[in-house]
Amino acid sequence: EPEVTQTPSHQVTQMGQEVILRCVPISNHLYFYWYRQILGQKVEFLVSFYNNEISEKSEIFDDQFSVERPDGSNFTLKIRSTKLEDSAMYFCASSQSSYEQYFGPGTRLTVT
Amino acid sequence: QQQVKQSPQSLIVQKGGISIINCAYENTAFDYFPWYQQFPGKGPALLIAIRPDVSEKKEGRFTISFNKSAKQFSLHIMDSQPGDSATYFCAASSNGANNLFFGTGTRLTVIP
Repeated sequence: EPEVTQTPSHQVTQMGQEVILRCVPISNHLYFYWYRQILGQKVEFLVSFYNNEISEKSEIFDDQFSVERPDGSNFTLKIRSTKLEDSAMYFCASSQSSYEQYFGPGTRLTVT
Repeated sequence: QQQVKQSPQSLIVQKGGISIINCAYENTAFDYFPWYQQFPGKGPALLIAIRPDVSEKKEGRFTISFNKSAKQFSLHIMDSQPGDSATYFCAASSNGANNLFFGTGTRLTVIP
């Protein structure tokens, strides 16, 4: 069964550093998303991406964040200058239509 | 603003019992209501979903009940098993704004 994959599984970085989180969505999916989950809290939407552009973003997704689909298979989330409060699990998701979203296993980002 | 409210926060059920988790929403534009199951350290996995044109959907031991007038929906897990012990999230989205709004999660423990 096809699945969303994410790398790395755990990323530790120092405050102020740039990080890139990588995702490989399910191959025939057209919509891509990033969500985050702070430990013990609910999953929060960051951004959705369709047809090579951002279709929607939340207020969390400020100028420090960017997304890119550099080739036909990868989908990346970049945080330019990490803050302590960026520490969270980051989930990539993809969907074929704009409804059923399938999530990857997540990347745990720890900012020290 | 909490788009989707979920209760209870935690639930303990005996093996073989029925687990019931409730969610309520405010935005009448929502037209897709999925439930996700999350095990520790894993991403949310799509469990079952419903559209507002039906009042109930059943898949195996999992049933969603939907009350459009009350703006409420619930997940029923019949014959609950220890392997069902996980955190369950309800969510909602609307067509054209395809980000999911998640509830705060319910930690289910099924006692053998």
